[in-house]
Amino acid sequence: DSGVTQTPKHLITATGQRVTLRCSPRSGDLSVYWYQQSLDQGLQFLIQYYNGEERAKGNILERFSAQQFPDLHSELNLSSLELGDSALYFCASSAHETSGEQFFGPGTRLTVL
Amino acid sequence: DQQVKQNSPSLSVQEGRISILNCDYTNSMFDYFLWYKKYPAEGPTFLISISSIKDKNEDGRFTVFLNKSAKHLSLHIVPSQPGDSAVYFCAASAFGTGTASKLTFGTGTRLQVTL
Repeated sequence: DSGVTQTPKHLITATGQRVTLRCSPRSGDLSVYWYQQSLDQGLQFLIQYYNGEERAKGNILERFSAQQFPDLHSELNLSSLELGDSALYFCASSAHETSGEQFFGPGTRLTVL
Repeated sequence: DQQVKQNSPSLSVQEGRISILNCDYTNSMFDYFLWYKKYPAEGPTFLISISSIKDKNEDGRFTVFLNKSAKHLSLHIVPSQPGDSAVYFCAASAFGTGTASKLTFGTGTRLQVTL
């Protein structure tokens, strides 16, 4: 158990809809990262927040947005969903702003029908 | 543009033997490398890392070797155990560029350790 929690574990929705994925980092960790893993692909970095502020952005679509709240939990919002958005979404956390070692949650499996 | 490549999607090794997982990278700015292990229905778990100032790092049964000139790293598991059966991801970051927070992952190698 990494100490990072993600909800929900599974999400099934239709094209055009909007969903919110939630992540609680390990106790004391200030950085939260979001990754997307599509079928047979490696994890693709989406975005990082550190202590409430956006710190780094990867290949995140404009339809996607994220935020980190004062209690340090984070939410990833995915809107106008397309079939291709079906993937595993992982959240990770680390103690510092820049840290190679990141601790991953179990992921949320999103299926868009 | 796949900057971190794991060209072997799968590997089967007998219990007790050595498992060698390989990873190649193209971005010369990468200076920190990690291996993660992933079981089904779980998130990746950090295994071992290496900085570009070293060419070897060892932790128990796991050793990572880095060849900077070849832009190649490998993970050795000795001896391999059935519990090592998982997907192994190689990842890289570039501390020197201020983008250390972004890990770039390979596509993974599925290791199966047979009895």
